[in-house]
Amino acid sequence: KQEVTQIPAALSVPEGENLVLNCSFTDSAIYNLQWFRQDPGKGLTSLLLIQSSQREQTSGRLNASLDKSSGRSTLYIAASQPGDSATYLCAVLSRGENTGKLIFGQGTTLQVKP
Amino acid sequence: EAGVVQSPRYKIIEKKQPVAFWCNPISGHNTLYWYLQNLGQGPELLIRYENEEAVDDSQLPKDRFSAERLKGVDSTLKIQPAELGDSAVYLCASSLVNTGELFFGEGSRLTVL
Repeated sequence: KQEVTQIPAALSVPEGENLVLNCSFTDSAIYNLQWFRQDPGKGLTSLLLIQSSQREQTSGRLNASLDKSSGRSTLYIAASQPGDSATYLCAVLSRGENTGKLIFGQGTTLQVKP
Repeated sequence: EAGVVQSPRYKIIEKKQPVAFWCNPISGHNTLYWYLQNLGQGPELLIRYENEEAVDDSQLPKDRFSAERLKGVDSTLKIQPAELGDSAVYLCASSLVNTGELFFGEGSRLTVL
């Protein structure tokens, strides 16, 4: 059974810092991994999608990496801003017995202080 | 291009009452998902449709929850009767294919009193 874990559960940093959010998964049989952002009371906004054959994806100040063999992904945020404050969720789209099932971690709540 | 549209955004009902949520996916997306999200948790899949067929409903509590996706476009999720523990956010998402990128709606927040 695929399990996704995100560490830390919460993170507070001063504005301007570079930071890394971690995501780990137990089963490497995946189609892709997706990072989402969720603001309070809102739905999920897709940030980056990494296919299983890819190692990383970049969008602006965000860079996500994928190491399928070790079951890990990181989301790197450069030069953090107060507007980056939100909950960040990673989700893995599994193959095998979990085919087509997107399984989420519990999220990392980020606060960027001005 | 319009995103995934859900309604209502908020619903407050008393326990044992019925409630229904509606979702309109992104045009052309054949795969539709309903997720449940409790406070401080990641979303959990309730049901996944490919076109009008429910291909994964293993997590749907079928004694009180039902869903339909007529004509393979819009979908409705119903709870009858609602219980206190059903208070949560119900998220709808769609993707072009079942292995593609998911796009979520704003969610429907249910409070059962």
